[in-house]
Amino acid sequence: EAGVAQSPRYKIIEKRQSVAFWCNPISGHATLYWYQQILGQGPKLLIQFQNNGVVDDSQLPKDRFSAERLKGVDSTLKIQPAKLEDSAVYLCASSLLEQVVGAQYFGPGTRLLVL
Amino acid sequence: GDSVTQMEGPVTLSEEAFLTINCTYTATGYPSLFWYVQYPGEGLQLLLKATKADDKGSNKGFEATYRKETTSFHLEKGSVQVSDSAVYFCALDPGTYKYIFGTGTRLKVLA
Repeated sequence: EAGVAQSPRYKIIEKRQSVAFWCNPISGHATLYWYQQILGQGPKLLIQFQNNGVVDDSQLPKDRFSAERLKGVDSTLKIQPAKLEDSAVYLCASSLLEQVVGAQYFGPGTRLLVL
Repeated sequence: GDSVTQMEGPVTLSEEAFLTINCTYTATGYPSLFWYVQYPGEGLQLLLKATKADDKGSNKGFEATYRKETTSFHLEKGSVQVSDSAVYFCALDPGTYKYIFGTGTRLKVLA
């Protein structure tokens, strides 16, 4: 089966600009996650969707970050306006059932550099 | 709060050497524990997992045992190969399906 797809793979922007990332999960996966991975750190969960509803967005900086999953399939993460500290790899993951342990599948990530 | 601590890298080994990457955790309750691997340019892949104390996860020659008494989940492999060069992440699920990751350990295996 096809894996989790993400685009773009790389993005360079200047601070205060806006940027959007796209994720297409594995077909049939109801749960979708966005993680932020800053250089030298482990991934940190930003937001979790179950179908098209938000389960947890407690770690999402809502003053500048937004995410949506309108039809319960693919998802978009947006940053507006970007700050230097947003430079990171943004990882998308999906899982078939929330209750299945260890079943998160990760995409290759989008590497963002904010200048 | 819940957290994962793993040894800093890079770890550099010769081919066929024995590998240990240490991972300890702090959590209330009974978390599930994981090792993920990230090869260059790729996403994280689940390497192995353990869901309860004394469970041993294993895959591709790698092993890790869930030790509740020492709150550890150290990753081991008896004989590493150049193709094992990657970044390894220890992670826990405290029962909320929201993973907490360590900072990662880069492994370099030299031929």
